[in-house]
Amino acid sequence: GAVVSQHPSRVICKSGTSVKIECRSLDFQATTMFWYRQFPKQSLMLMATSNEGSKATYEQGVEKDKFLINHASLTLSTLTVTSAHPEDSSFYICSARDREDEKLFFGSGTQLSVL
Amino acid sequence: GESVGLHLPTLSVQEGDNSIINCAYSNSASDYFIWYKQESGKGPQFIIDIRSNMDKRQGQRVTVLLNKTVKHLSLQIAATQPGDSAVYFCAESGMLTFGGGTRLMVKP
Repeated sequence: GAVVSQHPSRVICKSGTSVKIECRSLDFQATTMFWYRQFPKQSLMLMATSNEGSKATYEQGVEKDKFLINHASLTLSTLTVTSAHPEDSSFYICSARDREDEKLFFGSGTQLSVL
Repeated sequence: GESVGLHLPTLSVQEGDNSIINCAYSNSASDYFIWYKQESGKGPQFIIDIRSNMDKRQGQRVTVLLNKTVKHLSLQIAATQPGDSAVYFCAESGMLTFGGGTRLMVKP
């Protein structure tokens, strides 16, 4: 099946630093990728929808200047958490939609801990 | 669509029993549905999908039932095993909204 690679799987950083998370579709092209965050024992919360070559669409309440998304190619999207603070600590997950069908495949997630 | 983080209900079953996990959707125009399994600390994995022109689809030990009249989706897992313990989400065709999910706990 299709594979989505997400890196890093875990990152610990100091408050005020920026963290970049990569999401790659390994064996298919993804015109659309999605970014989510998840708190313990809760469901996924959609943060933004990223379309290749265009600006991301952010969900209500998600700061676009805080969570920078770049989708420069059909196989790569990045999420940068700028000036991270402890309240940004969370599990971040990406997903990619195969352009050939509607199936959505997920990365393995990134656990961000901001000290 | 806006997703809202929800605390997850829990379904506890005995190993070997069948499990039924339910999901209600809101958009009557949705024509494609997917069930995902998410283990702790991992991303969701595709389990099974169904299109709106079907009302039942079977996989290996899993069956998805779709009732479009009441906008209800269910996932049945036969002979539940400890490895089935996870959170299960349903998703509509837009892929942007998820059912809140259900945590399945399998007791040995």
